[in-house]
Amino acid sequence: QLQLQESGPGLVKPSETLSLTCTVSGDSIYSSTYHWGWIRQPPGKGLEWIGTISYSGNTYYNPSLKSRVTISVDTSKNQFSVKLSSVTAADTAVYYCARPQARGWLQFFGYWGQGTLVTVSS
Amino acid sequence: EIVLTQSPATLSLSPGERATLSCRASQSIDSYLAWYQQKPGQAPRLLIYDASNRATGIPARFSGSGSGTDFTLTISSLEPEDFAVYYCQQRSNWLTFGPGTKVDIK
Repeated sequence: QLQLQESGPGLVKPSETLSLTCTVSGDSIYSSTYHWGWIRQPPGKGLEWIGTISYSGNTYYNPSLKSRVTISVDTSKNQFSVKLSSVTAADTAVYYCARPQARGWLQFFGYWGQGTLVTVSS
Repeated sequence: EIVLTQSPATLSLSPGERATLSCRASQSIDSYLAWYQQKPGQAPRLLIYDASNRATGIPARFSGSGSGTDFTLTISSLEPEDFAVYYCQQRSNWLTFGPGTKVDIK
């Protein structure tokens, strides 16, 4: 059974870089050939797609975040990660990692991690 | 960017009643729309994809319809566990979500 688990600091200072990792179990990032994504949700608000990465490292970013986001994949560890630079309080959110229900990057997300709250504060 | 608008913002209904939720796209997205359910403290769950296809394990009381710019999620008879927030998402042009509709108990 596919499981995704986010990990990383729960508190980040303004202007610093937020870094999170998603560990995948129950499937191989590389051999499955699926894409893998990050979505966030500010407290009490809606969902925002951050970006998606392929098993081979091709990336697709939300244009509104593109200048600050980097998503990478480590197939040897079966993990993928997101970095968001120059964070502000507006980046405070629950961050989810997810996998689309079908192959390709332009897809809906059928599998989600439980989410991790990241607060930006000094 | 394709903007999704959901209405109403809140829907107050009783168990057993029919729920009709709307999602409108700022331009045509063919049938590239999904619906998710989210309960407090939980990740979203995919209910409907490509406008009208139920995801694996989703009860038949959930149905989706529409194409182009206007879409509807219908819950035929609300069960207690259906009270939640529902989001639509499009995949026609990048990926964007609607603001959500909260279905609460009347």
